[in-house]
Amino acid sequence: EAGVAQSPRYKIIEKRQSVAFWCNPISGHATLYWYQQILGQGPKLLIQFQNNGVVDDSQLPKDRFSAERLKGVDSTLKIQPAKLEDSAVYLCASSPRLSEQFFGPGTRLTVL
Amino acid sequence: QKEVEQNSGPLSVPEGAIASLNCTYSDRGSQSFFWYRQYSGKSPELIMFIYSNGDKEDGRFTAQLNKASQYVSLLIRDSQPSDSATYLCAVLGGSQGNLIFGKGTKLSVKP
Repeated sequence: EAGVAQSPRYKIIEKRQSVAFWCNPISGHATLYWYQQILGQGPKLLIQFQNNGVVDDSQLPKDRFSAERLKGVDSTLKIQPAKLEDSAVYLCASSPRLSEQFFGPGTRLTVL
Repeated sequence: QKEVEQNSGPLSVPEGAIASLNCTYSDRGSQSFFWYRQYSGKSPELIMFIYSNGDKEDGRFTAQLNKASQYVSLLIRDSQPSDSATYLCAVLGGSQGNLIFGKGTKLSVKP
């Protein structure tokens, strides 16, 4: 069974630029999550989708972050404009039910 | 604000010893608990989950849950250098299924 796929793996941008990340979950997993993990901390949930609907986006900085999951499969997370404090690893995870989550390899973002 | 607390470590144990990792959580209504392992530069990998009070064993790993004390632990028996990683405790945060993670405990197993 293929795991969660993410791209790109690494991205370096300057502040105020925009960036987009892509995620393809495990086949059949209805729930998809985007997490932000800052160095030395645990992952923090940004947004949760159930199929193509948003379940929880309470911690998403909506003035600069946006996410969508078209057709209930792939998802993209966008940051516009980026700030220095957005430097982190962005993890996508998927889950078949309200239980264990499986993570993709992550995208390491550096904002200069 | 629901919180999950872990000692950041590092926790250093000799090869072959038992490593004990601890986690406390603030929401008394939490029902599901997860341990993830994260190697440096890699994404979290699920090791175990536990829902009921008591112990749950899987190979060299044992998860222990005490809901009355709001405490969950992970024991690693016969620790190996390959177990050196950061261990993340996570609690299912609500009916929607989102996980609340602790900051993780860094484990170092010395040969």
